[in-house]
Amino acid sequence: GNSVTQMEGPVTLSEEAFLTINCTYTATGYPSLFWYVQYPGEGLQLLLKATKADDKGSNKGFEATYRKETTSFHLEKGSVQVSDSAVYFCALSAGGTSYGKLTFGQGTILTVHP
Amino acid sequence: DGGITQSPKYLFRKEGQNVTLSCEQNLNHDAMYWYRQDPGQGLRLIYYSQIVNDFQKGDIAEGYSVSREKKESFPLTVTSAQKNPTAFYLCASSDEGAGPFFGPGTRLTVL
Repeated sequence: GNSVTQMEGPVTLSEEAFLTINCTYTATGYPSLFWYVQYPGEGLQLLLKATKADDKGSNKGFEATYRKETTSFHLEKGSVQVSDSAVYFCALSAGGTSYGKLTFGQGTILTVHP
Repeated sequence: DGGITQSPKYLFRKEGQNVTLSCEQNLNHDAMYWYRQDPGQGLRLIYYSQIVNDFQKGDIAEGYSVSREKKESFPLTVTSAQKNPTAFYLCASSDEGAGPFFGPGTRLTVL
């Protein structure tokens, strides 16, 4: 079956540091890949996505590239802010009629200090 | 503004009671989903519906029921058969290539 593995957290950074959160996946076929962000007590917000190999998703300074050869979709940001403190989830979808059926990683807690 | 609404935000249930969580979307999406989130974990799929009057079980459907009488609405009932219902419940919707987008969630606590 499909699975997603995220780097263990929590991750603690100083403001303006470079962020990488690793995500690797196991899936048959050509899944779509997603990053979601969750702030305390809230639902998930779609941060970015990529639907085919070598696609780069980007939003609010965050980027992730769909690497089929390494089955990875690592999240990066060049300069984090305190407001980026949240939980980040990597997820995949088999696509097609199962587009919204997501398999999630366990989440990575990010804390950014001033 | 288009989006997904869930109500209530907090819900308390006594042992043995059924409760129903509301989910409404005005994005005109065909598909809707219910996920459960437990502390420190990712989300797990409970039920999903790809079209009105049709729905399928997800990975953890036992103790839950749903209906899809309207495109905009996908309520979830947590029955007394659900052994560990305390969790954060999230509704989502999607169309092929759009989203999936999530609602703000309902936190259910069993007293």
